[in-house]
Amino acid sequence: SQQGEEDPQALSIQEGENATMNCSYKTSINNLQWYRQNSGRGLVHLILIRSNEREKHSGRLRVTLDTSKKSSSLLITASRAADTASYFCATRGSNYKLTFGKGTLLTVNP
Amino acid sequence: DADVTQTPRNRITKTGKRIMLECSQTKGHDRMYWYRQDPGLGLQLIYYSFDVKDINKGEISDGYSVSRQAQAKFSLSLESAIPNQTALYFCATSEKEVGTGENQPQHFGDGTRLSIL
Repeated sequence: SQQGEEDPQALSIQEGENATMNCSYKTSINNLQWYRQNSGRGLVHLILIRSNEREKHSGRLRVTLDTSKKSSSLLITASRAADTASYFCATRGSNYKLTFGKGTLLTVNP
Repeated sequence: DADVTQTPRNRITKTGKRIMLECSQTKGHDRMYWYRQDPGLGLQLIYYSFDVKDINKGEISDGYSVSRQAQAKFSLSLESAIPNQTALYFCATSEKEVGTGENQPQHFGDGTRLSIL
C-alpha cells in the first residue's frame, strides 16, 4: 500500500522555470525523503526532512513539511533539462521501512 | 549508484522457471532491500535484511524468497516465475540507523528488468 501520493502525476515546464511537486501522506511519520529516478536508472536520494522540521534547503532544492496537513512539497528552482526525471517522496513511520509514492514525472524542455 | 551492483540488468524467461537476481554492494552497509517497481507505480518492498541473520518480509513477499549470503550480497529468487512478476526490480542498501527515527538514505542499484513470458 502506498503511503505517499505525489501531485501532479506529470509536470512539463521550460528550462529556467521553477517546478513544484507535492506529496500527501496518511499516517504519522518520523521523516520524509525525496528521491529522483532518471529513466532506466535506480533512485537517487535528494533530501530528508524530519518530522520536527518545517523547511530544508539543498542547492536548488527546497523542501517543506506540514505535519498538520500531512503534506510536503519539493521545489526545484531554475530548472534545467538535466532535472528531467521522476521524483518520489518516501515516508518513514514508526517501523523501519520506507514507503514510496507513485511519483511525479517532471519534463524540463530546453 | 555504482557501489550497488545488480545482475543481470535484463532477463527474459518463461513461466515456471526459477530465477535468481543478484545484488552486491561495496558500501559496507548492514541493511539491504529488494523492491519491485511496476509502470506508473512507486516501489513496493519485497524483502529486507538488517544484517546477515535478520531477514524480514515486506509488503509483497509471496512468490519470492531471498538469501543474504554475506554482508555484501543479497539475492532474490522467484521459485516459479509467473507473468505478473514482470517488473523492474531494485536492490538498495542503507547504513544502520543512529538514534530514533534517523532513517538513513537508501542507495539503489540500477535495477533488473525482468520479463516473464
